[in-house]
Amino acid sequence: EAGVTQSPTHLIKTRGQQATLRCSPISGHTSVYWYQQALGLGLQFLLWYDEGEERNRGNFPPRFSGRQFPNYSSELNVNALELEDSALYLCASSSNLAGGPVSYNEQFFGPGTRLTVL
Amino acid sequence: KNQVEQSPQSLIILEGKNCTLQCNYTVSPFSNLRWYKQDTGRGPVSLTIMTFSENTKSNGRYTATLDADTKQSSLHITASQLSDSASYICVVPMGQNFVFGPGTRLSVLP
Repeated sequence: EAGVTQSPTHLIKTRGQQATLRCSPISGHTSVYWYQQALGLGLQFLLWYDEGEERNRGNFPPRFSGRQFPNYSSELNVNALELEDSALYLCASSSNLAGGPVSYNEQFFGPGTRLTVL
Repeated sequence: KNQVEQSPQSLIILEGKNCTLQCNYTVSPFSNLRWYKQDTGRGPVSLTIMTFSENTKSNGRYTATLDADTKQSSLHITASQLSDSASYICVVPMGQNFVFGPGTRLSVLP
């Protein structure tokens, strides 16, 4: 069974540009979560999508946005990039049979996209 | 404030030795607690999920304990290997969100 995949592996942008990151969940998983992990820091929750809908977002500005497609893959867009957006962006997928994070559904993480803003 | 704290921040041990990592949480209401292993620059990998009714759960050389009364969990690693060098992250769901601990950075030396 294929795991969660993310693309690209690395992305280099300059300040003010836009970045698009992509995630393909494990087959059968309907939930996709996005996290930001700045160097040396813990994971910060960004967005949660399930069945094509945004279910929750973390404490990030509106220039962080995304969407989930009918095949449950997801895209994270970061507009007007700032230097502090440089981080490892992780995507995780899970089945959502019992309703979200408080359930016991396992989260499976992808390898991440390393975004560098110059 | 809903938080997850971990200690120590970092730990260095020799190959073959045991170690215990700690996680304290204040998230309420509590549903489950998860331990992840994250190699540098990679995505976290799940080690275990514990519900409030579970006191101990093992996954190979990893044994997690949970005391829901004191809101503490520990992860014990037995007979450490070089490949155990990684960050170990404690995570507790809160509503429609996850609260991640800052992690413990474990280095296993030969």
